[in-house]
Formats: sequence, structure tokens, C-alpha cells
Amino acid sequence: GQQVMQIPQYQHVQEGEDFTTYCNSSTTLSNIQWYKQRPGGHPVFLIQLVKSGEVKKQKRLTFQFGEAKKNSSLHITATQTTDVGTYFCAGPGGSYIPTFGRGTSLIVHP
Amino acid sequence: DAGVIQSPRHEVTEMGQEVTLRCKPISGHDYLFWYRQTMMRGLELLIYFNNNVPIDDSGMPEDRFSAKMPNASFSTLKIQPSEPRDSAVYFCASSLGGFGNQPQHFGDGTRLSIL
Repeated sequence: GQQVMQIPQYQHVQEGEDFTTYCNSSTTLSNIQWYKQRPGGHPVFLIQLVKSGEVKKQKRLTFQFGEAKKNSSLHITATQTTDVGTYFCAGPGGSYIPTFGRGTSLIVHP
Repeated sequence: DAGVIQSPRHEVTEMGQEVTLRCKPISGHDYLFWYRQTMMRGLELLIYFNNNVPIDDSGMPEDRFSAKMPNASFSTLKIQPSEPRDSAVYFCASSLGGFGNQPQHFGDGTRLSIL
């Protein structure tokens, strides 16, 4: 079935450093969503990308959807301790069943 | 507006007992999803409903799990009998429109521990 792979699984950074997580699919995705889950919390929707090559920004966060619509990335510039959490990508599988990646856990050291 | 409401927040019970998790979706949302999250398997979709009708339950691990949605404002996920390997955080989420059209709104989850 549809699988969405995310790398890395964990990322330690010093506060102020940049961070990037990557999401890859074996098949073309009609769209991709990104979520953030704080420790002990629940996933919270961040953004959805639909168009090939699309780039969207939310303050220090930049989201990209690949030209072939098989990969996506989330880049955070100058991380802050408030960025700590796990970032998930999710793509539609068969019958538009949401399929979540395993997530990338971001640890920010002050 | 109230978000997705799940109860209980925490549940600790002994193996073999019946467990019932409850969810109230956001009013007006026509899709409801049940997920299970563990360190080993990540976030897994168990079942989802559209307009109260179960659409896909292929993620339900076995017959011990069942889910119902008797009306648009309430859903339950039941485990009977429960086993230690069912210990996980169970999330309910709702959306307006199917996946890919609208974001999913998650509840705070139920942290389930089976002893």
C-alpha cells in the first residue's frame, strides 16, 4: 500500500540552527499535509500543499512540494525551543485514506 | 469553537477487561478518524467514518476492536477483551471533507495502559 517515508527520525540542533525534514513517497501524491505534535500533545495541522513545485511559508517555516509530487520538505530557519516536537507529513493512500509518515522528532538545545 | 473531545484522557485497566473510548467530533464535520499511536508503529489509522458510516476498517488490528458512530456527534472505539499490547495513545480526529481536502482536527487523545 501507499507509504510515506520520513527522514531523519530524530534531529538534535542547537538553538538558532536550521532544521529540515524530508518526506518521500513511492507514488505520486495528489496533495500532502504537514502536522506538528508537541511532546505529550496531539498532532496539529500546519499546512497542505497541492501543486507541483509549490512553496509555502509560515514565518520561519518553509514547506516545499516536489516537482514530481513524490516528495516534500519542511525547513525551519533559526530554530527556537518552541519548535520542539515531532513533525509529520501525511499523504493520501488508497481511497484517500490518510497515511502518516513516522515523523521527525526535533530536539532543540538552548 | 470546541475542538474534538475525547474521553477518558487516561485509562488504566487490567488485561481482559473491556475498554470503551469516546469521541465527540467538531460539529458539522462529516469525517471521523480513529488512530493509534505507539513508539514502535507510529500513527496508525484504525478506521474512519463518513456521515456516520464506516468506510474503511482495514486498520483495525483484530476482532477484539470495534467502532461505532451512532450519530454525527458521537463515536466509540471498543476493545474487548483488552491485552497489554493494546497499550497506546488513541486519537480521534474529524474533518470537513475527506483527507486531502481539509485538515484533520485531532482530540487530546486517550492514553491507554493495559496491565
